[in-house]
Amino acid sequence: KAGVTQTPRYLIKTRGQQVTLSCSPISGHRSVSWYQQTPGQGLQFLFEYFSETQRNKGNFPGRFSGRQFSNSRSEMNVSTLELGDSALYLCASSLARTGEAFFGQGTRLTVV
Amino acid sequence: AQKITQTQPGMFVQEKEAVTLDCTYDTSDQSYGLFWYKQPSSGEMIFLIYQGSYDEQNATEGRYSLNFQKARKSANLVISASQLGDSAMYFCAMREVNSGNTPLVFGKGTRLSVIA
Repeated sequence: KAGVTQTPRYLIKTRGQQVTLSCSPISGHRSVSWYQQTPGQGLQFLFEYFSETQRNKGNFPGRFSGRQFSNSRSEMNVSTLELGDSALYLCASSLARTGEAFFGQGTRLTVV
Repeated sequence: AQKITQTQPGMFVQEKEAVTLDCTYDTSDQSYGLFWYKQPSSGEMIFLIYQGSYDEQNATEGRYSLNFQKARKSANLVISASQLGDSAMYFCAMREVNSGNTPLVFGKGTRLSVIA
């Protein structure tokens, strides 16, 4: 059974640009959550999608957005990139909204 | 609000020895789940073990066991027979269930170094 797949693995963008990250959950999993990891702030929750609906949102500005498709694949978008957006972005999938959550390898975003 | 505390920023253990990584949590919810993840330098978060608040038995998965003490609100991870490949960051996390299925909240992590 394939795990959680995140693409791309690495990205370098310049300030002001926008970026889209993709996450394919484990087959059959309907819940996808996104987290940002930085050395200073640790792991912070961005948002959660379940059955194409955003169920929870973390304390991030509106430049951060996401969506989930009917096949449970999810994308997150960051517009008008800032240097502080440089981070490892992790996606987690769950069968339901509770229970074990399995993470992908992450997308490492560098904003220059 | 839920909170996870990992008080050990770094730990060293000799190969083949057992090690305990500490985790305490705070929640007012009666129903919650506790998780441990391993993050090697590659960045991937690897799920290790899960304990539900109503589980009476401590969870075990191979060399990993979770020492769950509900009254003390602690959920320590025990790794038996440490291996060099166990060197990584370890994160404790919690998710409340009754409070609308809140997202995972993570501790700051513990960096474990296994010495040959």
